[in-house]
Amino acid sequence: EDKVVQSPLSLVVHEGDTVTLNCSYEVTNFRSLLWYKQEKKAPTFLFMLTSSGIEKKSGRLSSILDKKELFSILNITATQTGDSAIYLCAVGRYRGATNKLIFGTGTLLAVQP
Amino acid sequence: DTGVSQDPRHKITKRGQNVTFRCDPISEHNRLYWYRQTLGQGPEFLTYFQNEAQLEKSRLLSDRFSAERPKGSFSTLEIQRTEQGDSAMYLCASSLVYASGSDEQFFGPGTRLTVL
Repeated sequence: EDKVVQSPLSLVVHEGDTVTLNCSYEVTNFRSLLWYKQEKKAPTFLFMLTSSGIEKKSGRLSSILDKKELFSILNITATQTGDSAIYLCAVGRYRGATNKLIFGTGTLLAVQP
Repeated sequence: DTGVSQDPRHKITKRGQNVTFRCDPISEHNRLYWYRQTLGQGPEFLTYFQNEAQLEKSRLLSDRFSAERPKGSFSTLEIQRTEQGDSAMYLCASSLVYASGSDEQFFGPGTRLTVL
């Protein structure tokens, strides 16, 4: 059965810290891995990764995918209280197969002042 | 606002009642997805449409659930004879599939359903 596992489940850090969130997956017909940030509402899109070893960056956030070891990491540097949220990892499957996203349960990040 | 919109944002209903939710995707997007999210879990896939065609339904979608996208634009999700276990956030997402198959899904704000 397809599954996406995120770790840690929750994390508490102080402003300015750097955090690394992990996502491992076992999914047939893998095509892409996506990271979302979810505050009190719906998930907001952060990154989509399809190739191994190519880092994607957006400000203080960056992410990389390892398709051999079947995992991805999301890094957040110089954390701020506004980074507090649930970070969701999701895996998408090949065009032609179902395009549903399979989500992990998320990592709850709390950034304290 | 040109993002995905959903209506209503909150719905409280009594067990046994029928409810209907609406989703308006980003206008040029050809794919529309419904997900359900319960507390402490990631979203779970329910169904998706390519234009007006419903291409897959999850086994989570019992006979009491039906979704439509009649003109390939907005979609509705109806739950008949609601049960307390239906209480959840119902999320809609849309995407534009490129020739490369790129399929970034963008989510609406969700409809939070509470069944009393």
